[in-house]
Amino acid sequence: EAGVAQSPRYKIIEKRQSVAFWCNPISGHATLYWYQQILGQGPKLLIQFQNNGVVDDSQLPKDRFSAERLKGVDSTLKIQPAKLEDSAVYLCASRRGQGGTYGYTFGSGTRLTVV
Amino acid sequence: AQTVTQSQPEMSVQEAETVTLSCTYDTSESDYYLFWYKQPPSRQMILVIRQEAYKQQNATENRFSVNFQKAAKSFSLKISDSQLGDAAMYFCAYRSKITSGAGSYQLTFGKGTKLSVIP
Repeated sequence: EAGVAQSPRYKIIEKRQSVAFWCNPISGHATLYWYQQILGQGPKLLIQFQNNGVVDDSQLPKDRFSAERLKGVDSTLKIQPAKLEDSAVYLCASRRGQGGTYGYTFGSGTRLTVV
Repeated sequence: AQTVTQSQPEMSVQEAETVTLSCTYDTSESDYYLFWYKQPPSRQMILVIRQEAYKQQNATENRFSVNFQKAAKSFSLKISDSQLGDAAMYFCAYRSKITSGAGSYQLTFGKGTKLSVIP
């Protein structure tokens, strides 16, 4: 099966600009996650979707970050305006469901550099 | 909240030798999952091995095995017969068995250990 697709692979923007990342999960995967991975750290969950509904966005900086998952398939993560500390890799992951035995499949991420 | 600690930022191993990566975690739950993920330069997280807390037997996947000490909240990864392709970042991760709402099936990661394999 095809993997989790993410684009773009790299993005460089100036602070205060806006940026959007796109994720296409594996077909049939109802659960989708966005993680932020700052250099030298492990990934941190930003938001979790179940189909097109938000399950958890408690760690999403809502004053500048937003995310949506239209029709329960593709998802976009937006940052507006970006800050220097937003420089990180943004990983998308999907699972078939919330059940305990389903594995996670990760995309290759988008590396964002804010200058 | 659960925390995962990896105390070794970097490790190196000679090709064909054995190396052990350490991980400790903190939780008040009695049942959960623990994982080791590999992240090569391609950035994609790849599952190496998974352990269910209620299973006393340590998980094994080919050259990869774990030493799971539930009382000590320790979950180390042993890589035997190390190969050049094993060089990567390795992340230990915890997942609660909360089944609904916030926290459900989230992965909590440690900071990672960079493994180098010396030819």
